[in-house]
Amino acid sequence: SQQGEEDPQALSIQEGENATMNCSYKTSINNLQWYRQNSGRGLVHLILIRSNEREKHSGRLRVTLDTSKKSSSLLITASRAADTASYFCATARFGGSEKLVFGKGTKLTVNP
Amino acid sequence: KAGVTQTPRYLIKTRGQQVTLSCSPISGHRSVSWYQQTPGQGLQFLFEYFSETQRNKGNFPGRFSGRQFSNSRSEMNVSTLELGDSALYLCASSLLMRTALLGTETQYFGPGTRLLVL
Repeated sequence: SQQGEEDPQALSIQEGENATMNCSYKTSINNLQWYRQNSGRGLVHLILIRSNEREKHSGRLRVTLDTSKKSSSLLITASRAADTASYFCATARFGGSEKLVFGKGTKLTVNP
Repeated sequence: KAGVTQTPRYLIKTRGQQVTLSCSPISGHRSVSWYQQTPGQGLQFLFEYFSETQRNKGNFPGRFSGRQFSNSRSEMNVSTLELGDSALYLCASSLLMRTALLGTETQYFGPGTRLLVL
């Protein structure tokens, strides 16, 4: 079953604009991760935020986590055409398993 | 350092056949997980191996099985293929240095094997 639910399902913006994607989940988590997937290829890890963290930055990426609302957001600033991809959030629980539970993803299109 | 590799990249099979997919993790990574991705169900966890032992299994029928070798390479097998098994099968590896209490590491995914069942 899906744990994370991304919102929106699809997002189309112009190059240079910011893109914000949201993710909600249902159960308590150890950490939440964001991945990017280009056109049905493998997943590329973007950022991991632990349950005791509220915000994390990596280059043009900013991730927030609100465990009280069971939600996370991914902000991509100054987007580029190369950012066009599907973005997935994935949650990991405590307990020693490497299992990730993925949402259905947000398809981002950045128009040049 | 080489990334996660998966072979074959593409595969076409017919219903009733069986298939074996292979995954080589990043050197030094001891944990390997498998996921199935379909347009309808999205990304779903199949199973996870560490030190040749299956540590966790997703909600898939017994036709789906896997194993891990002493060099951490992993294979998954699907027997009696059905049309619904057509999917992208992704393998991921992680270092797994932490204790069970601290939870998962970052997982690094391979390019996937695209399986088409006719």
